[in-house]
Amino acid sequence: NAGVTQTPKFQVLKTGQSMTLQCAQDMNHEYMSWYRQDPGMGLRLIHYSVGAGITDQGEVPNGYNVSRSTTEDFPLRLLSAAPSQTSVYFCASSYSDRRHGYTFGSGTRLTVV
Amino acid sequence: AQSVTQLGSHVSVSEGALVLLRCNYSSSVPPYLFWYVQYPNQGLQLLLKYTTGATLVKGINGFEAEFKKSETSFHLTKPSAHMSDAAEYFCAVTGYGNNRLAFGKGNQVVVIP
Repeated sequence: NAGVTQTPKFQVLKTGQSMTLQCAQDMNHEYMSWYRQDPGMGLRLIHYSVGAGITDQGEVPNGYNVSRSTTEDFPLRLLSAAPSQTSVYFCASSYSDRRHGYTFGSGTRLTVV
Repeated sequence: AQSVTQLGSHVSVSEGALVLLRCNYSSSVPPYLFWYVQYPNQGLQLLLKYTTGATLVKGINGFEAEFKKSETSFHLTKPSAHMSDAAEYFCAVTGYGNNRLAFGKGNQVVVIP
């Protein structure tokens, strides 16, 4: 019963460093997405994918890259970390029929110094 | 485009009193509406959802919500608050053919003994 697994849970980066946040799901969901959560801002969509090989931008995509080579994995890459990217990141997945709802991972807390 | 408005970032309620969290949405297609709960340092958990059919929906932990199309609302209620209800609550909207789940800014609920 793994659901959506995110790694790492915590990370501290220096400005300018790059890293990849991992997300994997074992529910055979077609749809996967990345959100960032900031105090008073709710959750904002960074990137999403409707299936392997297909990705698109959300509302706050700048500074992030994604790819989807398999149904199970959807990594998020920070190319050159900035303090403004300090946030909690959540990965979510869903069947293509959104009426089932979305399953969320437990999050990655990222601090950029 | 779709959007959600949740007013009052912090909501205080006495133990045993009614919990009422308001959600108004904007959607260009028939909406699918969700309420999620987030306990401290955890991911988001689905409380309840409305897709089609009965407009009064019941969820976990005694919560329920009513979809009112004429008011574009999906308010969350619980008759009697419990200490364990202290958490952050998010309303979210998507719709048929829409690849994005849009969140409100959330309500932090504090339960006063």
